[in-house]
Amino acid sequence: DAKTTQPPSMDCAEGRAANLPCNHSTISGNEYVYWYRQIHSQGPQYIIHGLKNNETNEMASLIITEDRKSSTLILPHATLRDTAVYYCIVGNKLVFGAGTILRVKS
Amino acid sequence: DGGITQSPKYLFRKEGQNVTLSCEQNLNHDAMYWYRQDPGQGLRLIYYSQIVNDFQKGDIAEGYSVSREKKESFPLTVTSAQKNPTAFYLCASSIGVRDRIILGKLFFGSGTQLSVL
Repeated sequence: DAKTTQPPSMDCAEGRAANLPCNHSTISGNEYVYWYRQIHSQGPQYIIHGLKNNETNEMASLIITEDRKSSTLILPHATLRDTAVYYCIVGNKLVFGAGTILRVKS
Repeated sequence: DGGITQSPKYLFRKEGQNVTLSCEQNLNHDAMYWYRQDPGQGLRLIYYSQIVNDFQKGDIAEGYSVSREKKESFPLTVTSAQKNPTAFYLCASSIGVRDRIILGKLFFGSGTQLSVL
């Protein structure tokens, strides 16, 4: 199973871009990268997913490196409400690691 | 609005008691899941179900039981055999699952916090 590595925590200033990295060096060719986030005491929420190309939706952008061994979730203008735990999932498997705690500060 | 409803939001269990957590979805999803989350930790899979009348153990099934009699419902019972039940329990659904790979996106409920009296 492809494993992911995320930093345990990150800080970001309100209004600035938040860039959350995820390493997945053992990813297989047909495995998608999914991102979810969990605000305190709520269920996780889907953000975005991608295979090879960069993806953008109303919530975020996903940048996947050419070798697919890592990706970055970008929140272009972080707000205080973006403070949450962000999970990177490879292969859409049933495993959620500890994720990255993003703290957006005013 | 379609979604997943978990109830109750908070639940207390007495020593030796079984308790049942409710999970209902109206998304017409075939697959449903139960996860457990301890403070500061990720999510751990308890049970999942691919289809009505079928379910599989996840990574931490001991002390838990489930049923899937209807497509919309996937209740979780925390039995007295579960010695450390205090945790946040999350139910989720997706259009399907195959070989432990989720088909489509996961949709989560708002969770049930279970505590021991």
